[in-house]
Amino acid sequence: NAGVTQTPKFQVLKTGQSMTLQCAQDMNHEYMSWYRQDPGMGLRLIHYSVGAGITDQGEVPNGYNVSRSTTEDFPLRLLSAAPSQTSVYFCASSSQRNTEAFFGQGTRLTVV
Amino acid sequence: RKEVEQDPGPFNVPEGATVAFNCTYSNSASQSFFWYRQDCRKEPKLLMSVYSSGNEDGRFTAQLNRASQYISLLIRDSKLSDSATYLCVPWGAAGNKLTFGGGTRVLVKP
Repeated sequence: NAGVTQTPKFQVLKTGQSMTLQCAQDMNHEYMSWYRQDPGMGLRLIHYSVGAGITDQGEVPNGYNVSRSTTEDFPLRLLSAAPSQTSVYFCASSSQRNTEAFFGQGTRLTVV
Repeated sequence: RKEVEQDPGPFNVPEGATVAFNCTYSNSASQSFFWYRQDCRKEPKLLMSVYSSGNEDGRFTAQLNRASQYISLLIRDSKLSDSATYLCVPWGAAGNKLTFGGGTRVLVKP
């Protein structure tokens, strides 16, 4: 039972570099979301998707892009990494509105 | 007003005691509510779902007050292993988004 899989688990980037955090789910869930969590803070929504081809911005979208070409995958792209993007990133999926969300194990990103 | 608000704590709880804390939400149209548990910035894990007035699962009880727009979580007979951050999640607190509260930290001590 894979559930929600995030890769990589750890990543160090230099300022200005770009990269893509991968998120895949094998539960045929429509809803997928990306969150970031900074030390001592809760999860803040970056972008979310209610189905393939549909994405929308969350609370803190600046500096990030997403796309949803398939139901299974929801990659998060950092366009030009900044130290302020050092954080733990979580991807989550749920089958529909009003149902529980399942989380990936997180990606710990450090930008130097 | 924030969409979801929680007392950050920490709540320092003697082992065996009862602790309760609330989560307030701004969108009266929220239909379902979830409590998640998070350990040391690991991924959140579902503790309890609430679709009506409340839910009970062993030592954990969640109660929903729609009139005052808050949901509470009560932990009875606290165990050391209950030490964690508890996250409140009302579905639809902000439209189609799944928005988390900042979490309430609970520390159970011997």
